[in-house]
Amino acid sequence: AQKVTQAQTEISVVEKEDVTLDCVYETRDTTYYLFWYKQPPSGELVFLIRRNSFDEQNEISGRYSWNFQKSTSSFNFTITASQVVDSAVYFCALSDLSGGGADGLTFGKGTHLIIQP
Amino acid sequence: DTAVSQTPKYLVTQMGNDKSIKCEQNLGHDTMYWYKQDSKKFLKIMFSYNNKELIINETVPNRFSPKSPDKAHLNLHINSLELGDSAVYFCASSQGNRKLFFGSGTQLSVL
Repeated sequence: AQKVTQAQTEISVVEKEDVTLDCVYETRDTTYYLFWYKQPPSGELVFLIRRNSFDEQNEISGRYSWNFQKSTSSFNFTITASQVVDSAVYFCALSDLSGGGADGLTFGKGTHLIIQP
Repeated sequence: DTAVSQTPKYLVTQMGNDKSIKCEQNLGHDTMYWYKQDSKKFLKIMFSYNNKELIINETVPNRFSPKSPDKAHLNLHINSLELGDSAVYFCASSQGNRKLFFGSGTQLSVL
């Protein structure tokens, strides 16, 4: 069975600080995909990144970066120089092949990130 | 063009009523889903439809029935609404690469 754990329920930092959101996953498959989604106060779910299990290269997109480590089953997300607009709930999610490709994503419980001005 | 659209955005109703939420995707995806987000923000899959065939049903009460007239539409019908059904319901679609595209959500409030 697949599982995603986001141990940080809520994080509060002051604007311009760096912040890392942790994600630990469990799966029996060797082929799987990991995702991060953002849910701002307006409520929509915004796709941020997808990473497959064979690509451990870290990725940077502007102030966002992701650290994928298979050895520790983690896929952490770092925001550099945080801004108030980064305030949102962030979800880590996992998709493996156990459901034949149509079983959607298993989400973590989310981390509520609060950026204070 | 909105990729995944669901209506209505807000739905307020009385206990015991029957209601439907509509979802349409214009991405040509084969698989569509319904997710429920509870008051603690936890997202849980309810249904998955692949080419109009139900793939999974995650222990959802049978008061909830997905209906897919074609692969671009997946509607959610709820009978005999209960207080505990109050939540945000998200429709989504995907194709192959498993990236889910979500609708904007329907906030259901049962009074």
